[in-house]
Amino acid sequence: QSALTQPASVSGSPGQSITISCTGTSSDVGGYNYVSWYQQHPGKAPKLMIYEVSNRPSGVPDRFSGSKSGNTASLTISGLQAEDEADYYCSSYTSSSTVEVFGGGTKLTVL
Amino acid sequence: EVQLVQSGAEVKKPGESLKISCKGSGYSFTSYWIGWVRQMPGKGLEWMGIIYPGDSDTRYSPSFQGQVTISADKSISTAYLQWSSLKASDTAMYYCARHEVGEGSDYWGQGTLVTVSS
Repeated sequence: QSALTQPASVSGSPGQSITISCTGTSSDVGGYNYVSWYQQHPGKAPKLMIYEVSNRPSGVPDRFSGSKSGNTASLTISGLQAEDEADYYCSSYTSSSTVEVFGGGTKLTVL
Repeated sequence: EVQLVQSGAEVKKPGESLKISCKGSGYSFTSYWIGWVRQMPGKGLEWMGIIYPGDSDTRYSPSFQGQVTISADKSISTAYLQWSSLKASDTAMYYCARHEVGEGSDYWGQGTLVTVSS
């Protein structure tokens, strides 16, 4: 069961937009609309930012949005803020185990 | 208020056994899955497995099948993660999370740091 593929790092300036990709297969990302995204600040527990590809939990700013095309899901953060600097992980349901699988994580740096 | 409170940090020797806990409150503990996630030092998140306390249905990630045991006691709204023989490579932070299959994990425990060293 391989982890989903994310870029190791992305960066952007305050106010800009960035997109983090998450590539899987037809057995996970491509086969189900069950992709979630998590934000993790250093020393903190992860926080759910997006579920079911594009839904935001209550309290998550609408600057965060999710989408999917084929086997690749994406998280877009618009109007970057300093507090967005964190690690981001995608997670997907997978038919190969019925336990979800995470991506390797992406470190977002706000310049 | 939904809360998941995990047991405290542990320092163990290789070969020892360990059981850590995750106590849920503020919601119907038997109506949601609880997942366990490992994060090794400086590394990413890994799903270990999930349990549905309502009927104890338990599923493991292939990488963790046979390596750990996940259980729950619904009478005290507590889920557990246990090892029968720890290895140095089990040194990590372990998180529990309230999980809905396909909908993500919306509440997380504070994490339990497990250190295994001779």
